[in-house]
Amino acid sequence: EIVLTQSPGTLSLSPGERATLSCRASQSVYSSYLAWYQQNPGQAPRLLIYGASSRATGIPDRFSGSGSGTEFTLTISRLEPEDFAVYYCQQYASSVFTFGPGTKVEIK
Amino acid sequence: VQLQESGPGLVKSSETLSLTCTVSGGSISSYYWSWIRQPAGKGLEWIGRIYSTGNTNYSPSLESRVTMSVDTSKNRFSLKLTSVTAADTAVYYCARVYSNGWSYYFDYWGRGTLVTVSS
Repeated sequence: EIVLTQSPGTLSLSPGERATLSCRASQSVYSSYLAWYQQNPGQAPRLLIYGASSRATGIPDRFSGSGSGTEFTLTISRLEPEDFAVYYCQQYASSVFTFGPGTKVEIK
Repeated sequence: VQLQESGPGLVKSSETLSLTCTVSGGSISSYYWSWIRQPAGKGLEWIGRIYSTGNTNYSPSLESRVTMSVDTSKNRFSLKLTSVTAADTAVYYCARVYSNGWSYYFDYWGRGTLVTVSS
């Protein structure tokens, strides 16, 4: 089973700043099988990015994804107040899905 | 597409947790459907998936206790988790798996239902 590690655990930034979130896999992951989600308190996760770099419907272009192999990145170019949330990466391999532990983006 | 979880919010330790997810606004056919859970303050854990024909895949860590089923006539699918303990207390989400052979991700989610295991 592929294990995902996310860093940092918490990212403290101000609105307007750039956020860079990392997701590292224990084995190589097909880029097309890597997704990112945003979760606000008390809500279900929301799909942001699929296929490592494709934005889901309705997701603003300040969100971008990149990476390949074992290293993937979610970038938020300029943080808006609604972007302060927890972000999870997710991968699929051999009929099993796994999630990373999450990165919390908090207001500094 | 909308998903709605339903089932008991309280289950006794050692008993079986049973939840149902009803899908509206779209057909359950030709998709995989998943259960995902989240203990309070913790991350997401994938439990398993079921195809509309009944084919299943389960998380290796839960496989011995999990059974999923689907009822296409009622556009819903279900989860059973046996021999529950306090560690199974969590918000349980159902979600649709988008899979086209190129990508696999969860595009629609239910709002989640809290299940508490009591001793």
